[in-house]
Amino acid sequence: EAEVAQSPRYKITEKSQAVAFWCDPISGHATLYWYRQILGQGPELLVQFQDESVVDDSQLPKDRFSAERLKGVDSTLKIQPAELGDSAMYLCASSSVLGRGTGELFFGEGSRLTVL
Amino acid sequence: DQQVKQNSPSLSVQEGRISILNCDYTNSMFDYFLWYKKYPAEGPTFLISISSIKDKNEDGRFTVFLNKSAKHLSLHIVPSQPGDSAVYFCAASDNAGNMLTFGGGTRLMVKP
Repeated sequence: EAEVAQSPRYKITEKSQAVAFWCDPISGHATLYWYRQILGQGPELLVQFQDESVVDDSQLPKDRFSAERLKGVDSTLKIQPAELGDSAMYLCASSSVLGRGTGELFFGEGSRLTVL
Repeated sequence: DQQVKQNSPSLSVQEGRISILNCDYTNSMFDYFLWYKKYPAEGPTFLISISSIKDKNEDGRFTVFLNKSAKHLSLHIVPSQPGDSAVYFCAASDNAGNMLTFGGGTRLMVKP
């Protein structure tokens, strides 16, 4: 069964260090999302790509976060420098359509970040 | 400003009984609503959805009800099973695209 792949599953780092997360969406899915989920809260959208283009990054803290999807397939989310408040689960999701569609997103298992 | 709210952080139900999870929203532009289920250490998985042109959608043991005038939706699970124990997220999107706004989640515990 096709799935969204994410790595690493877990990352522990010290504040001020750089971290990077990788996501490989379901094959053929043009739309890719990065969400952040803080414990006890719902996922919050950080950035949305359509192919290699950013559709929405209004909630991405651009002073320390960056995201790219150079070839319109897999994507990398980077944090530099990491802060204590960045500790969260980083979820990648993909969907086959942009626009009305079904709105159904397929999520990966997430990358749990702990900043010490 | 939370546009999608799940006011009950947790719910405990006896196996075989009905589970009712509630969700409220404030953005009148939302016209498509989804429920996701999340087990620990896994990503959310899609459960059921409803368009604003409907007030009910049923899929097996799961039924979602939408009350547009009250900006309220609910997920009914009947009968509840221990395997239903998970965190349930309500999500909504507007007619401009499929970006989802999530609620904070409700942890459902179904006791055998």
